[in-house]
Amino acid sequence: QQPVQSPQAVILREGEDAVINCSSSKALYSVHWYRQKHGEAPVFLMILLKGGEQKGHDKISASFNEKKQQSSLYLTASQLSYSGTYFCGTESQAGTALIFGKGTTLSVSS
Amino acid sequence: EPEVTQTPSHQVTQMGQEVILRCVPISNHLYFYWYRQILGQKVEFLVSFYNNEISEKSEIFDDQFSVERPDGSNFTLKIRSTKLEDSAMYFCASRQGFATNEKLFFGSGTQLSVL
Repeated sequence: QQPVQSPQAVILREGEDAVINCSSSKALYSVHWYRQKHGEAPVFLMILLKGGEQKGHDKISASFNEKKQQSSLYLTASQLSYSGTYFCGTESQAGTALIFGKGTTLSVSS
Repeated sequence: EPEVTQTPSHQVTQMGQEVILRCVPISNHLYFYWYRQILGQKVEFLVSFYNNEISEKSEIFDDQFSVERPDGSNFTLKIRSTKLEDSAMYFCASRQGFATNEKLFFGSGTQLSVL
């Protein structure tokens, strides 16, 4: 079952913050976040496992609420390099395929 | 960092022809995947492969598609009779296992154009 991402697109100025949400109608084992630049392969950002943990590195962090089957990706003080399409991928249990949402396009301008 | 390698980077074919897309996963990885992405759309799961057999496949992966690991290093996706709607970027991915924090490593993709 495909996760649902929102919003579809975000336009930011450098330094502004954004939140991208990912939700599923099924119980989740894990949520993965990837960023894809035009014409390139998706690049791994982070994995969150069930347990409601929050992870982060640099100015990008994420949370996972397993009761609500939702994850959110937080981008703070955005930089031009953050531009791209962000995909969440979900696993319903360990060992199943990672299914991606439709993506959220983030555009950061100076 | 280790890489997943895909060849060719671009493939042009005529409708009805067979194509084989090739991938070399990371050497100690055990789980292999094919995804595809039609221009501007989401990354769609096609098939997963473990222990020399398909472990999961999507509705897209019909009888026209097959996967093989012909030797210890290559992982291939074959499309028997290509259709116009098969035009897409095809990504191979691999994963060491399903332990904590096991991410997918994606190859750089093969752009398939069916004319």
